[in-house]
Amino acid sequence: RKEVEQDPGPFNVPEGATVAFNCTYSNSASQSFFWYRQDCRKEPKLLMSVYSSGNEDGRFTAQLNRASQYISLLIRDSKLSDSATYLCVVKNQFYFGTGTSLTVIP
Amino acid sequence: NAGVTQTPKFQVLKTGQSMTLQCAQDMNHEYMSWYRQDPGMGLRLIHYSVGAGITDQGEVPNGYNVSRSTTEDFPLRLLSAAPSQTSVYFCASRIRGGGTLPGWELFFGEGSRLTVL
Repeated sequence: RKEVEQDPGPFNVPEGATVAFNCTYSNSASQSFFWYRQDCRKEPKLLMSVYSSGNEDGRFTAQLNRASQYISLLIRDSKLSDSATYLCVVKNQFYFGTGTSLTVIP
Repeated sequence: NAGVTQTPKFQVLKTGQSMTLQCAQDMNHEYMSWYRQDPGMGLRLIHYSVGAGITDQGEVPNGYNVSRSTTEDFPLRLLSAAPSQTSVYFCASRIRGGGTLPGWELFFGEGSRLTVL
């Protein structure tokens, strides 16, 4: 079983829509969680860390559910520039999910 | 402000050839790692190192060797390239230790695209 499971999508949403991604992890002892963003043919870059209490950064909200062992990312008011692949990361040794592809359509 | 530098950016090999992908970071990061990224597979951890002289295997280590003689450098060696090793390779580094504070994330190089014929 993979350390991190993620729905690959693709998600195609209109501008202004709200979209949510989930990611499950297998190691209940995992302590740190992140969401990375990867643009086409580029390296991944940190989008946001995920804190136990949940955290928000502008239009982006990250949540952690330890009981069910999943993390989520919510994007509100989607912009064309949000089109990318979103990767969840669980830090034991930084295992990445397969990534969820998002395309925001005009 | 170099960050993580990978060379070469592109490489074509024939089956059975050997080569080394270079990775250097100038942020004094103790932790360094190599990933490969294939379509539909996400990033898979090949090898990692928590400091000079220490290396360990990740999810997909077979066919790859690493060494860490200095804090700055973490080369990845393919001893006998196979077509299954055609992929995009990313090197990444970070401060050693736990936490999610700003600056504790993984910093990636721009990637090395390898094709094995």
